[in-house]
Amino acid sequence: GEDVEQSLFLSVREGDSSVINCTYTDSSSTYLYWYKQEPGAGLQLLTYIFSNMDMKQDQRLTVLLNKKDKHLSLRIADTQTGDSAIYFCAESSLSGSARQLTFGSGTQLTVLP
Amino acid sequence: GAGVSQSPSNKVTEKGKDVELRCDPISGHTALYWYRQSLGQGLEFLIYFQGNSAPDKSGLPSDRFSAERTGGSVSTLTIQRTQQEDSAVYLCASSSRGLTNTGELFFGEGSRLTVL
Repeated sequence: GEDVEQSLFLSVREGDSSVINCTYTDSSSTYLYWYKQEPGAGLQLLTYIFSNMDMKQDQRLTVLLNKKDKHLSLRIADTQTGDSAIYFCAESSLSGSARQLTFGSGTQLTVLP
Repeated sequence: GAGVSQSPSNKVTEKGKDVELRCDPISGHTALYWYRQSLGQGLEFLIYFQGNSAPDKSGLPSDRFSAERTGGSVSTLTIQRTQQEDSAVYLCASSSRGLTNTGELFFGEGSRLTVL
């Protein structure tokens, strides 16, 4: 079945850039998503990219997609303490069933002062 | 409120007891999902409801788990004869999109279940 892999932890200094990486296995993925989960809260959609795009930029966020390698990354520029959270990568497949939104294990981002 | 509402936010129960977790989706959202989040694990899909269609129960881990959605709105996830491995955060999400377009999922804050 589909599988989404992420590293579990990342620490960066405030003001530096953060890069969170994700790999997936389903070559028919149509959309790839980044969700953010703050402590004690539900997940919130940060950004998404359609599979025919290589890059999407939204303010401090840059999403890069390498479809050949099935690799997705999220870059956060000028990381702030408020960016500390768990970031989940997710994919949806072309089969069209909305249930096939497969999430990774999440990357805990810690921003150090 | 306008978001997805879940209750209870925390539930501690004894092994062998039944529990019910409730989800109130965003008004007008036809799709409703239940996921389970265990420590260090990704979100595990449990069940999906879309309008009046038969639910997709393919993610339910055992026959102790069941869910229903009444009137196309509120959903209840029931776990019978709870086991310690059922301890997790149970997340509900809703979406305005149909089966052929994933769209954005809106998540509740989750119900944390602890089975002693």
